[in-house]
Amino acid sequence: AQKITQTQPGMFVQEKEAVTLDCTYDTSDPSYGLFWYKQPSSGEMIFLIYQGSYDQQNATEGRYSLNFQKARKSANLVISASQLGDSAMYFCAMRIINDYKLSFGAGTTVTVRA
Amino acid sequence: GAGVSQTPSNKVTEKGKYVELRCDPISGHTALYWYRQSLGQGPEFLIYFQGTGAADDSGLPNDRFFAVRPEGSVSTLKIQRTERGDSAVYLCASSLAPGGLAGGSTGELFFGEGSRLTVL
Repeated sequence: AQKITQTQPGMFVQEKEAVTLDCTYDTSDPSYGLFWYKQPSSGEMIFLIYQGSYDQQNATEGRYSLNFQKARKSANLVISASQLGDSAMYFCAMRIINDYKLSFGAGTTVTVRA
Repeated sequence: GAGVSQTPSNKVTEKGKYVELRCDPISGHTALYWYRQSLGQGPEFLIYFQGTGAADDSGLPNDRFFAVRPEGSVSTLKIQRTERGDSAVYLCASSLAPGGLAGGSTGELFFGEGSRLTVL
C-alpha cells in the first residue's frame, strides 16, 4: 500500500513570497505518478501539477513547480509569488501505474497574508 | 456545466435515516470514484467504478454503504441507517484513464464540489 506524508498542518506566507509544501511518499513500485491538488474553502479539489516517477525533469505549471527527489521519495510543491487566492488546503497524492486508486496525504493549509 | 456535478451539496439527516448522494461525471469518463473526506483530513477512497461495475469497493466502511452506476454514467452512493460518524464530505471524481500513466495521460481525477453530509 502507498503512504503519503505531509508533515506541515498549516503554513503562513506573505503575499508575493514563495512557499514550499513538503510531501514524502512510500512505495515499493518503481512506476508511479505524484499529484498535487488544491482545495479552497468551496470544497472542490483542483488538480495543480503532476510528476511521473520516470520524468527526468521537475514538473512546472505556471507558478507551481514540483521539487522531485526520487531517492529521498519526496515531491515538494513550490508556489512562487503567492497570491491571496492561493489560500487553501493542498494535498499531495500518489498512484502507482496501472492502478486506479489515488492515495492522499493529510494536507497542508496555506494562508497567504497581505 | 462540463465538470463533475454532485447533489445535494448539503444534506442534514437524523441518525438511522437513509441517504442517497448523486454524482454526474464528466461526459465520456468511464472511471468514477467515491471518496470520503472528514474534517481536516485528506480524502479516503471508498469505491471505484469502471463502466457499470464496481471494480473495487474495498474502501466502503461497512455494509450500510452501497453504490451503483447502472448505466455507466451517473452514480448513486447509498447509506442506510446513518450514524453520526458518517458525517463527512463525500467527494465524487471521474477520469478518462482508469489506470496507467502512460501514453501522455496523467490520469488525473476531476472532482466535484462534494456532498456535505451531517448526521444529527
